[in-house]
Amino acid sequence: EPEVTQTPSHQVTQMGQEVILRCVPISNHLYFYWYRQILGQKVEFLVSFYNNEISEKSEIFDDQFSVERPDGSNFTLKIRSTKLEDSAMYFCASTPGGTYSGNTIYFGEGSWLTVV
Amino acid sequence: QKEVEQNSGPLSVPEGAIASLNCTYSDRGSQSFFWYRQYSGKSPELIMSIYSNGDKEDGRFTAQLNKASQYVSLLIRDSQPSDSATYLCAVTGAGGADGLTFGKGTHLIIQP
Repeated sequence: EPEVTQTPSHQVTQMGQEVILRCVPISNHLYFYWYRQILGQKVEFLVSFYNNEISEKSEIFDDQFSVERPDGSNFTLKIRSTKLEDSAMYFCASTPGGTYSGNTIYFGEGSWLTVV
Repeated sequence: QKEVEQNSGPLSVPEGAIASLNCTYSDRGSQSFFWYRQYSGKSPELIMSIYSNGDKEDGRFTAQLNKASQYVSLLIRDSQPSDSATYLCAVTGAGGADGLTFGKGTHLIIQP
């Protein structure tokens, strides 16, 4: 079964450092997403990406965050100047045709970010 | 602001019984509704999706949607210990790139 792959699975970084989380969406998918889940809290939407641009972003996705699709396969989330409260599990997701009827949203296994 | 509400539980159900999970949402414009299962430290796994009012059955799972009441439910028949997990309700709007709004999840425990 096709899967969304994420790297690294776990990263520890010092406060103030920049972090890049990488995702390889399923090859024929067109919509890509980043979500985060702080320990013990709900899954929160960060950003969606379609046709090489951001389609929608939440209030959480401020200037500290950026996304990029540098080539035909990778989808990255960059967090500049990390803060302690950025510690969370970050999930990448993809879907062939958005969230319309019949499209399954596939989640990656997540990247656990710890800011110290 | 879009909100999805779920009882956090834990909801304890004997093995073989029916587990009933409920969810309400605030945005009347929501069009797509999902139930995910999440084990501790793992990613959400899609269980059911539902897009129109009524019931949708898939194996032991039945999703129910009532848009007028802004209510979504998930029934799990013949509950198994392996069904013990946190169940997340998620909704999204009409746009293809809309992000999912998740509830906090209901922790379900199936007692052997």
